[in-house]
Amino acid sequence: SAVISQKPSRDICQRGTSLTIQCQVDSQVTMMFWYRQQPGQSLTLIATANQGSEATYESGFVIDKFPISRPNLTFSTLTVSNMSPEDSSIYLCSVVGQGHNEQFFGPGTRLTVL
Amino acid sequence: GDSVTQMEGPVTLSEEAFLTINCTYTATGYPSLFWYVQYPGEGLQLLLKATKADDKGSNKGFEATYRKETTSFHLEKGSVQVSDSAVYFCALDFYNQGGKLIFGQGTELSVKP
Repeated sequence: SAVISQKPSRDICQRGTSLTIQCQVDSQVTMMFWYRQQPGQSLTLIATANQGSEATYESGFVIDKFPISRPNLTFSTLTVSNMSPEDSSIYLCSVVGQGHNEQFFGPGTRLTVL
Repeated sequence: GDSVTQMEGPVTLSEEAFLTINCTYTATGYPSLFWYVQYPGEGLQLLLKATKADDKGSNKGFEATYRKETTSFHLEKGSVQVSDSAVYFCALDFYNQGGKLIFGQGTELSVKP
């Protein structure tokens, strides 16, 4: 299994600001994803982070609001832009390792927007 | 579209009781099916999986069988413990379409001593 770390683990931010979340994996992986888990709800896929190219966004999510980078096979960032209280959620990075068909999740970043 | 539906929670059981959490899915292809668990204050962990019809996934006393005819993947455990208290998520995954996971809404389990 892959070991995934996320930074920061939690943050409290002011409305209108932006936060960048980092996801680091200890091995090269084929796929990286970003999910959102709103309070008391299930996980929703935001986008697939593509190495060296623009991310693929799911319906309801746009690049201007959630820009994503993936410069290599072990690292990705998600930025939550122009935040509002509705963006308060846990943001999770997940990966699919080479030769596997299951996803491993990072510990998540708990974001609170005031 | 593809979707996963779980029984609503919270589910409250006494220790050593039998557990069933229902999960049904709608899919156009042949997905892999998963149960993930989220313990209080912790991240999401894979509990068990099944990749084809009639496969049984098992781990930590939990079991689930991939039933194509009923499009179900119910989670069962014969005797629950207080430490099993968590939120359980059923999910499906089309690996050959990019590995995106579609999650059910989650079922909260509370086990009392």
